[in-house]
Amino acid sequence: GESVGLHLPTLSVQEGDNSIINCAYSNSASDYFIWYKQESGKGPQFIIDIRSNMDKRQGQRVTVLLNKTVKHLSLQIAATQPGDSAVYFCAEYYRPNTDKLIFGTGTRLQVFP
Amino acid sequence: DAGVIQSPRHEVTEMGQEVTLRCKPISGHDYLFWYRQTMMRGLELLIYFNNNVPIDDSGMPEDRFSAKMPNASFSTLKIQPSEPRDSAVYFCASSLLAGATGELFFGEGSRLTVL
Repeated sequence: GESVGLHLPTLSVQEGDNSIINCAYSNSASDYFIWYKQESGKGPQFIIDIRSNMDKRQGQRVTVLLNKTVKHLSLQIAATQPGDSAVYFCAEYYRPNTDKLIFGTGTRLQVFP
Repeated sequence: DAGVIQSPRHEVTEMGQEVTLRCKPISGHDYLFWYRQTMMRGLELLIYFNNNVPIDDSGMPEDRFSAKMPNASFSTLKIQPSEPRDSAVYFCASSLLAGATGELFFGEGSRLTVL
């Protein structure tokens, strides 16, 4: 399960720094958003989700921010670790079909020691 | 506890051959999704099932692609005949409630190379 490669935007951070990954979504009617992490050779893995009635949600070391006005999501990772190196995707449930999950193009996060 | 199981993990075939990819979802999950991942197009939803019934197949590229779910524990994605542009990683994912809870559980993928 290799992720999309050469054309992905890449964010490089030093271990211990905070990371911010941004995503613009397309459908103003979408009301449920999820961030996924994909490590090399694996399938995407759920990180955190947020519904449109919220503008912020926190997990362990991760925070998702939602700005519906400009259709923008961000994923913040605190104290980034080498194990965070992966491709990160935002995904939206594509209203009016609530079960159709559409993925963005992804951002590659590289963590340097 | 086993996750979503896909087979084969890797397949290399020649143009024109039939390819069958298999998926066993997590037991009890009512939704099953097939995605394709390529460098050019990213992760694309091909088709999804709810309670073994195909709900949306609008992402299936063309008639050469077909998917079935004969029972709650098994699904296939078939390509006949295969073409080099079908080379990709194909993921199967399952979910308990899909749009209600959000979390899709993905398999490890089947990497297909069509020569």
